[in-house]
Amino acid sequence: ELKVEQNPLFLSMQEGKNYTIYCNYSTTSDRLYWYRQDPGKSLESLFVLLSNGAVKQEGRLMASLDTKARLSTLHITAAVHDLSATYFCAVDSRSGGGADGLTFGKGTHLIIQP
Amino acid sequence: NAGVMQNPRHLVRRRGQEARLRCSPMKGHSHVYWYRQLPEEGLKFMVYLQKENIIDESGMPKERFSAEFPKEGPSILRIQQVVRGDSAAYFCASSPSEVIEAFFGQGTRLTVV
Repeated sequence: ELKVEQNPLFLSMQEGKNYTIYCNYSTTSDRLYWYRQDPGKSLESLFVLLSNGAVKQEGRLMASLDTKARLSTLHITAAVHDLSATYFCAVDSRSGGGADGLTFGKGTHLIIQP
Repeated sequence: NAGVMQNPRHLVRRRGQEARLRCSPMKGHSHVYWYRQLPEEGLKFMVYLQKENIIDESGMPKERFSAEFPKEGPSILRIQQVVRGDSAAYFCASSPSEVIEAFFGQGTRLTVV
């Protein structure tokens, strides 16, 4: 059974600081996704990572994927309050015999304080 | 092109009643996924459907839950004889194929009282 673990689960940081959220998964992945969710809202797709060594950046967020280590990171640079949200990683592993849906981590609740 | 539309957005049911959740995929999308999100948790995959077919229901409870995606009309997730533990946010996502990223709807928040 595919397991996806995120850490930390809770993160409080100050504006202007850098931090990294980690996502480990237990089996072969086809694709790895990062999503943002604001309270009571739906999921906003941030990044889709397809291959080993993939790196994508959008504004203050950068995501990377190491398929050999089965690890993805979401790095936040010079955090601002607007980035406060819950961030989820999710893994698509259907070609490896996994379910046809995504397997999500528990999420990282990020609070950025002025 | 409207996004994935779910209704109702909020649904309150008494224990023992039935809940029907609707999902209209984006135009041109024939693949629908349903997920459940319990408070403070990530989303859990429930079922994957293509038009008129259930492809993978490995995440759906065997009893009381059913899903359909008819040739015409929205996909329906049906929960019979709801219990308090069914209280959650239910999200659907749609895509044009299984290899293309799915887009999520706004969710239906079910409260069982």
